Amino acid sequence: EAQVTQNPRYLITVTGKKLTVTCSQNMNHEYMSWYRQDPGLGLRQIYYSMNVEVTDKGDVPEGYKVSRKEKRNFPLILESPSPNQTSLYFCASSTRTGYEQYFGPGTRLTVT
Amino acid sequence: DQQVKQNSPSLSVQEGRISILNCDYTNSMFDYFLWYKKYPAEGPTFLISISSIKDKNEDGRFTVFLNKSAKHLSLHIVPSQPGDSAVYFCAAIYGKLTFGQGTILTVHP
Repeated sequence: EAQVTQNPRYLITVTGKKLTVTCSQNMNHEYMSWYRQDPGLGLRQIYYSMNVEVTDKGDVPEGYKVSRKEKRNFPLILESPSPNQTSLYFCASSTRTGYEQYFGPGTRLTVT
Repeated sequence: DQQVKQNSPSLSVQEGRISILNCDYTNSMFDYFLWYKKYPAEGPTFLISISSIKDKNEDGRFTVFLNKSAKHLSLHIVPSQPGDSAVYFCAAIYGKLTFGQGTILTVHP
């Protein structure tokens, strides 16, 4: 089954404690991306990757890091989480840049 | 600056009637437009798309209209069904994907 998986699905953490949200896709897609969803703001892009070892900033990259060492995986790293990073996070992938993306189920992060 | 806007946070429709969701954009360079549907506790799923060289695209009960001169996109769902109740996001592409804020559609039986 074609899918994008994210782990964990729910996470409560404290300010400053480094965390990683994993994302994996099994469709051999070149393009992967991370978004955050906040009330009234829709989905905003954090980082994206057009292929292995190629990553770039989206609209709201501050406080986040990513890496793309393998085609299937695109982890999101919060080195020092802060309460304003409390949000719902989605990973997505597609064959072409941005077109018809497949989304993961989401990770709800709470930073206290 | 919100380049893609969905000005109606919510829409309520009776089952069997038409649902019309609207989206406005400001960047005339957008060359591809999409609609996504999102149920609670799930990720968004692709619904329908349209290229900027077209003004209409149909897929079953779903039709997307594009008015480039007005920089306006709309999604028509006919007939609406209770299972269509979800959040609908419009999105536009120029190099990257930009989403609107979303509209919550509720279809009442």
